[in-house]
Amino acid sequence: DVKVTQSSRYLVKRTGEKVFLECVQDMDHENMFWYRQDPGLGLRLIYFSYDVKMKEKGDIPEGYSVSREKKERFSLILESASTNQTSMYLCASRRHRGNTEAFFGQGTRLTVV
Amino acid sequence: DQQVKQNSPSLSVQEGRISILNCDYTNSMFDYFLWYKKYPAEGPTFLISISSIKDKNEDGRFTVFLNKSAKHLSLHIVPSQPGDSAVYFCAGATTSGSRLTFGEGTQLTVNP
Repeated sequence: DVKVTQSSRYLVKRTGEKVFLECVQDMDHENMFWYRQDPGLGLRLIYFSYDVKMKEKGDIPEGYSVSREKKERFSLILESASTNQTSMYLCASRRHRGNTEAFFGQGTRLTVV
Repeated sequence: DQQVKQNSPSLSVQEGRISILNCDYTNSMFDYFLWYKKYPAEGPTFLISISSIKDKNEDGRFTVFLNKSAKHLSLHIVPSQPGDSAVYFCAGATTSGSRLTFGEGTQLTVNP
């Protein structure tokens, strides 16, 4: 059974804290993604990575950074958390190219207070 | 620039009837489209997809139709069941690329 696992289901952090969200996949996929989901805005891409140590900005990268030191692991970093980063964060992985689906983790509900 | 648009935030249907969810796209480079279903507090799960070389793909109760000239796709669920109540997202992709671009989602409610 293929799996994308996010390290936390729920997180509460204070404004200004540095926050790490971790994601691990066991499918040997080249591509990994971080999205956030907000009501009425759908799933918006923050960053993605197509290979180890490679990253590309998505549509809303401001306030975030990422790290991919190993193929199976992709981390999202909030350098200084702000209340407008309160959201559902979703990690996904996908084979490099072709007509294939992406597999999502269970999501992390982050609340910044 | 919203490349994938789902204009209906919500849809309510009776159990046993057909649900039709719509999606429009603007990026003519998209050649692969997907539908995902999402329950609250869970990650999206893949439902069905279609390549641009086809105009229809069917999987059980779910059928996706693609109209390339109108840049429009739709998901039909027949018959609808209460367990289908969820948010449905459509997404576009290019075969040569990595990313999926999602729409805003449509909340489907199937009433018993």
